[in-house]
Amino acid sequence: RKEVEQDPGPFNVPEGATVAFNCTYSNSASQSFFWYRQDCRKEPKLLMSVYSSGNEDGRFTAQLNRASQYISLLIRDSKLSDSATYLCVVNSLTGSNTGKLIFGQGTTLQVKP
Amino acid sequence: NAGVMQNPRHLVRRRGQEARLRCSPMKGHSHVYWYRQLPEEGLKFMVYLQKENIIDESGMPKERFSAEFPKEGPSILRIQQVVRGDSAAYFCASSPPRTGLKDTQYFGPGTRLTVL
Repeated sequence: RKEVEQDPGPFNVPEGATVAFNCTYSNSASQSFFWYRQDCRKEPKLLMSVYSSGNEDGRFTAQLNRASQYISLLIRDSKLSDSATYLCVVNSLTGSNTGKLIFGQGTTLQVKP
Repeated sequence: NAGVMQNPRHLVRRRGQEARLRCSPMKGHSHVYWYRQLPEEGLKFMVYLQKENIIDESGMPKERFSAEFPKEGPSILRIQQVVRGDSAAYFCASSPPRTGLKDTQYFGPGTRLTVL
């Protein structure tokens, strides 16, 4: 089983749509969670951190359910510029807590006019 | 404040040659991570370094790969005797001195290695 699993998509949605991505992680001791965005295999860029209380940044809302080991990202009012691959990322905890990130394979979003 | 710098951005090597990839972290950052992204795959952790120390190399292939982060100068990821399977994008990330578990890692633009 992969440590971080995502539906690879692609998700094809019209402009203005609301789209949700889900992610599950296997290490119950993980403590830090993130969504990164990657365009055309450029470098990943941090979209937002994810907290148990849920957090919102403009049109983007992230949720974390520790009991289910489940992370979600909701994008409202999709724009053409939102087309990208969205990476679910978990900070891997080892005995020494080295902070290495474990990436999901990514979910591809294509927003159509 | 310049971001994470990586060079070269593109590197072409023939099988058996050596590849050297460089990474300069963001100013003030003392932690460097290397990740590899094979074609059509997600990013995979390779190694985590602080100045003059390898902290975690659990993701490094056992042979041909090495990394360093000297007291002065950039971090270097070195691949000896490259093979076609080494063709990938290699990303470096840096983070500030450890302040907690939620350190954000900032990524460089990557080096795309092509082995002919």
